[in-house]
Amino acid sequence: AQSVTQLGSHVSVSEGALVLLRCNYSSSVPPYLFWYVQYPNQGLQLLLKYTSAATLVKGINGFEAEFKKSETSFHLTKPSAHMSDAAEYFCAVSDWDTGRRALTFGSGTRLQVQP
Amino acid sequence: DGGITQSPKYLFRKEGQNVTLSCEQNLNHDAMYWYRQDPGQGLRLIYYSQIVNDFQKGDIAEGYSVSREKKESFPLTVTSAQKNPTAFYLCASSTTGGDGYTFGSGTRLTVV
Repeated sequence: AQSVTQLGSHVSVSEGALVLLRCNYSSSVPPYLFWYVQYPNQGLQLLLKYTSAATLVKGINGFEAEFKKSETSFHLTKPSAHMSDAAEYFCAVSDWDTGRRALTFGSGTRLQVQP
Repeated sequence: DGGITQSPKYLFRKEGQNVTLSCEQNLNHDAMYWYRQDPGQGLRLIYYSQIVNDFQKGDIAEGYSVSREKKESFPLTVTSAQKNPTAFYLCASSTTGGDGYTFGSGTRLTVV
C-alpha cells in the first residue's frame, strides 16, 4: 500500500516569507500526487495535482510543487506567505495503479503565518 | 454547479445508537469514498465504491456500513459497534481516470 509522509506537523513563517511544506511518498511507479488545503470545519480544496505531465506544477493562490522521482518527493512552495494561507495542508497520493483507486493522505501540516 | 453535498453538517449521537450520514453528488462520478478525520492523523479511508451496487472496505471499516444503490448517493452508517465515532467525516467522489477528486464539506459527528 502507498504511504505519504509529511515532515513537520506545524510550520510557522512570517508574512512575506517563503513557504515550504514537505511531502514524500512511497511508490515504485510514478503516481498521481495532490496537495489539498483545509480551513477549519470545512472540506478539502484542491491546490494542485501532478498527473505525469510537467514535473513543476502550478496551482491556485500562488502555490507550486515539484515532482522529483529520484527523491520520491512532492514538496509544496509559495514564494511569499500571506495571512490568508494559514490553514492545514495535506499531501495525497492516488492508488490508481494498485487498483484501490482511493487517495492515501499524509498526516497534514498546519501552517501558521505570523504578521 | 456540480458538487458533493453532505448532510447534516453537525450530528449528535447517543451511545448505542446508529446514525446515517448522507452524501450526494451530481458530478456523474462513478467512484465515491468515505474518509474519517481525527486531529493529527490526516484522513483515513473507511469505505469506497467504484461502481453502483459494489463497495470495498478501506483501512478502518469496522463499525461502519455503506450502500451504493444509486450512482449519486453513498450513505455511511455509523453503528453502535464503532467504539469511538466522534470525528469529522468527509465524502468524496472521483473520475474514472483517478486524476480528479472532489470533496464534500464534511459532517462533524459527536457522541453525547
